[in-house]
Amino acid sequence: NAGVTQTPKFQVLKTGQSMTLQCAQDMNHEYMSWYRQDPGMGLRLIHYSVGAGITDQGEVPNGYNVSRSTTEDFPLRLLSAAPSQTSVYFCASSQTGYETNTEAFFGQGTRLTVV
Amino acid sequence: AQSVAQPEDQVNVAEGNPLTVKCTYSVSGNPYLFWYVQYPNRGLQFLLKYITGDNLVKGSYGFEAEFNKSQTSFHLKKPSALVSDSALYFCAVRLSGNTPLVFGKGTRLSVIA
Repeated sequence: NAGVTQTPKFQVLKTGQSMTLQCAQDMNHEYMSWYRQDPGMGLRLIHYSVGAGITDQGEVPNGYNVSRSTTEDFPLRLLSAAPSQTSVYFCASSQTGYETNTEAFFGQGTRLTVV
Repeated sequence: AQSVAQPEDQVNVAEGNPLTVKCTYSVSGNPYLFWYVQYPNRGLQFLLKYITGDNLVKGSYGFEAEFNKSQTSFHLKKPSALVSDSALYFCAVRLSGNTPLVFGKGTRLSVIA
């Protein structure tokens, strides 16, 4: 039972480079989201999706793009990396609706450094 | 808009003593409330949740939390702390499974032997 899988675990980028952080889940969850974690800031929502073909912006979306072509995958793209995007990125998934099982399941994170 | 406040950046407690990690929330509507724990260099692990029903909810590793609607609080508690409970704890709120999960800034719990 893999749950939520993020790749890569670590990445160093140069300013201006682009890259894609991968996220895949095998729990058939409709809701998926990306967060960044910075010291003293908690987890801040970047983008989220309530199903394939539907995405929306969170609290800190600038500099990031997402797409949701399948239920399983929710990649996060950094278009032109900046040092301010140095952070730990977490992908999460959960069931949708007004149900009892709405807790989110998290990946292990991607530690990104932009130099 | 939803928000969560964790008023303490750090909580220190002696092993064997009871512990409390505080959380208050602000939301328009009935909240779904959650506690997560993060160990060093790991992702977040779900501890417990309040959706509806009994105000006292029990979760993993002996933790429990009490939902108090009048005080808009959802404090995390454990009767007897262990050194292994030392970690970063996050409180979170959402309105439904279709809405974003909003986190507090986290509280670092240190249990001293």
